[in-house]
Amino acid sequence: AQTVTQSQPEMSVQEAETVTLSCTYDTSENNYYLFWYKQPPSRQMILVIRQEAYKQQNATENRFSVNFQKAAKSFSLKISDSQLGDTAMYFCAFSLTGANNLFFGTGTRLTVIP
Amino acid sequence: DSGVTQTPKHLITATGQRVTLRCSPRSGDLSVYWYQQSLDQGLQFLIQYYNGEERAKGNILERFSAQQFPDLHSELNLSSLELGDSALYFCASSSRTSGTTDTQYFGPGTRLTVL
Repeated sequence: AQTVTQSQPEMSVQEAETVTLSCTYDTSENNYYLFWYKQPPSRQMILVIRQEAYKQQNATENRFSVNFQKAAKSFSLKISDSQLGDTAMYFCAFSLTGANNLFFGTGTRLTVIP
Repeated sequence: DSGVTQTPKHLITATGQRVTLRCSPRSGDLSVYWYQQSLDQGLQFLIQYYNGEERAKGNILERFSAQQFPDLHSELNLSSLELGDSALYFCASSSRTSGTTDTQYFGPGTRLTVL
């Protein structure tokens, strides 16, 4: 079975600072994908970033980057130059290659403080 | 805006009733997924359809059913509703079914309240 663990229920960061959200996962499979989704107060689920497990290079999207450690089964999200609009719940998610359903962690509530 | 639409936005009903939630995927997407987000269970995958056929099933109760129509829109039917069915129900869509894993784009959700 696949599990995703987010051990930080809540975090806060000062505007313009950098914050890292943690995620670990457990799987016996070798081919999979990892995602970070953001859920702002509007409740919309918005894709932040995606990482293919077969790629060694960490994914980046503007101010968002990941630190993917396959051996440790760790997938953390770094947000640089935090903005007030980054305030949201952040969910780490996992999907096996060829099976598209997502397994989600319990989420980390991030508050950006002005 | 993800391009995935869901109706209605909010639904309030009573225990024992039946409701239908509707989802229209992004243009060109053939796969539709349903997820339930509740306070106690978090985000859970319910079911996936690809081009009209059921492709994967998750933690979907027998009281729940879904289908995908020829125009690719999907409906999630919830019957004999219980208080514990109160949740946010998301629909997501992607373009492929298997082989690789395609990114899922989520709709705005339907908030169901069972009184």
